Amino acid sequence: SAVISQKPSRDICQRGTSLTIQCQVDSQVTMMFWYRQQPGQSLTLIATANQGSEATYESGFVIDKFPISRPNLTFSTLTVSNMSPEDSSIYLCSVEGGGSYEQYFGPGTRLTVT
Amino acid sequence: AQSVTQLDSQVPVFEEAPVELRCNYSSSVSVYLFWYVQYPNQGLQLLLKYLSGSTLVKGINGFEAEFNKSQTSFHLRKPSVHISDTAEYFCAVKSSGGSYIPTFGRGTSLIVHP
Repeated sequence: SAVISQKPSRDICQRGTSLTIQCQVDSQVTMMFWYRQQPGQSLTLIATANQGSEATYESGFVIDKFPISRPNLTFSTLTVSNMSPEDSSIYLCSVEGGGSYEQYFGPGTRLTVT
Repeated sequence: AQSVTQLDSQVPVFEEAPVELRCNYSSSVSVYLFWYVQYPNQGLQLLLKYLSGSTLVKGINGFEAEFNKSQTSFHLRKPSVHISDTAEYFCAVKSSGGSYIPTFGRGTSLIVHP
């Protein structure tokens, strides 16, 4: 299993600013995933982050808007840039449990953009 | 490509009644199937999973699910629900070979009334 923490747990930000979300895992993992969960919606994968390489972004998400860092095997950050109210969501960090095939999730960062 | 359909967006039920949350999937290859639960203001956690073997899978908190290959379904059941089961439930599918990225359904909100 993996225990994942995220900071901040929630934030209220003004339009046009940026927020960096941190994700810390208690064990070394190859891949980390960033999801967005809009109110009443399912999870949408933003990008997959491998240590030492550029993140792979899903359709509809770009690096300029959601830059990701992955400096080591236990840590990653996601920045939401030039925010608008449409970015108000829960942002979830996740890792795969290796041979168990399941996903482990952080508690989420609840972002409100005013 | 694979997809997941959760047929009910909301399921209201009285405490101690049985409940079934429906999930259908489509995939051109063999799959692994998962149910996750998200309690209010928390991240997702695994309820149960089907990888292979017995088609009846038992999970935490008294939940179980049955994999039906011919009907491409993986419905979640509990014989007697508690108030504390009120949460969002997500069905997910992952290809057993190839993509490591799961596809999530839109979620079913289980609301347990006293």
